[in-house]
Amino acid sequence: DTAVSQTPKYLVTQMGNDKSIKCEQNLGHDTMYWYKQDSKKFLKIMFSYNNKELIINETVPNRFSPKSPDKAHLNLHINSLELGDSAVYFCASSQGQGWAQPQHFGDGTRLSIL
Amino acid sequence: DQQVKQNSPSLSVQEGRISILNCDYTNSMFDYFLWYKKYPAEGPTFLISISSIKDKNEDGRFTVFLNKSAKHLSLHIVPSQPGDSAVYFCAASIGNTPLVFGKGTRLSVIA
Repeated sequence: DTAVSQTPKYLVTQMGNDKSIKCEQNLGHDTMYWYKQDSKKFLKIMFSYNNKELIINETVPNRFSPKSPDKAHLNLHINSLELGDSAVYFCASSQGQGWAQPQHFGDGTRLSIL
Repeated sequence: DQQVKQNSPSLSVQEGRISILNCDYTNSMFDYFLWYKKYPAEGPTFLISISSIKDKNEDGRFTVFLNKSAKHLSLHIVPSQPGDSAVYFCAASIGNTPLVFGKGTRLSVIA
């Protein structure tokens, strides 16, 4: 059983398109996250949700809009894709809001913008 | 400005020997440190953590050492096994602020 699953695994699309990445966790966790790993390999937090409520938005362009229909799901919608959006996007979850809590990551979605 | 630095992009170690992965940080306010391990095409998995009130934490073959005065932590893996070959990320947090990750060190354990 996959604990944190995200789809699709790969996404290749053209500049200007709109795309979504879905994430689901079956761990019963109440906090979910989106991270971006850029070409320099840094993992950077984008958003954090606790019980469907937005907790952290780390100065991400408003072309990125997370949606949490319930605490097991956190989807990421991206409008008007740009070349700089090419990266690997990881979803993660943890129990509780403390950053010291171990986070469980999905396998990532590799987004390539042509 | 990199607050968490892993200055060695890669490390090769023979099976059975000790692997030592290093991490330096600049912000003395960090109060919790975590290590994650990542295999290709998978997400990071939590390995071990340490609070700033401790200087050592051990879990099986994995030990993390924290030297607050030097703003340095290290992960020791003894004995190293081929399955330990992965990228290791160091991460740090201050209270309720998000984790800051290093760039990772690729460990290769040679049989």
